[in-house]
Amino acid sequence: KNQVEQSPQSLIILEGKNCTLQCNYTVSPFSNLRWYKQDTGRGPVSLTIMTFSENTKSNGRYTATLDADTKQSSLHITASQLSDSASYICVAVTSGTYKYIFGTGTRLKVLA
Amino acid sequence: GAGVSQSPRYKVAKRGQDVALRCDPISGHVSLFWYQQALGQGPEFLTYFQNEAQLDKSGLPSDRFFAERPEGSVSTLKIQRTQQEDSAVYLCASSLWGRRAPPDNEQFFGPGTRLTVL
Repeated sequence: KNQVEQSPQSLIILEGKNCTLQCNYTVSPFSNLRWYKQDTGRGPVSLTIMTFSENTKSNGRYTATLDADTKQSSLHITASQLSDSASYICVAVTSGTYKYIFGTGTRLKVLA
Repeated sequence: GAGVSQSPRYKVAKRGQDVALRCDPISGHVSLFWYQQALGQGPEFLTYFQNEAQLDKSGLPSDRFFAERPEGSVSTLKIQRTQQEDSAVYLCASSLWGRRAPPDNEQFFGPGTRLTVL
């Protein structure tokens, strides 16, 4: 069964600190791996997209990594800001039908 | 030039009522998706349209759920005889490409409709 698991479920950090969110996926056939940020009451917004041949992708203070062999990805947030408080959702996309398989998300809270 | 919009943003229904949720995709986008997001969970796929054709409805949880996109733009998700377990946020997304999209094809999400069934 296609599945995406994320950890931790929730995380609280102080402003200015770094953090890393984890994602394991079991999706076949695999096309690409995406990280989304979802603010409360909003739809998800894309942060990074990585195909199986890409190991890392950056978007400002967000850096995603992908190990297609172990089927693991991480999202690293550098120098966190209060506005980073949101849910971060990992999505594995199947090839062919390009169906999105969502993880349950990591809820990040950044405190002043 | 606006993004995906959805209406209403919030809907409260009594159990057994029918509801209709609307999605206005980005103009010119071929693909349209509906997702259901339960509290504290990630979105789950409901159905997919390529223009006016509903190519995949494998995620619809029961025959009480029905979606249409008659002119290939605006879409409506209808839920008949709502049940408490239907309470969730319903997200709509659109993308420029159809089924044979490049891998980096982007889905753009609307803000969602929060449905509460009492």
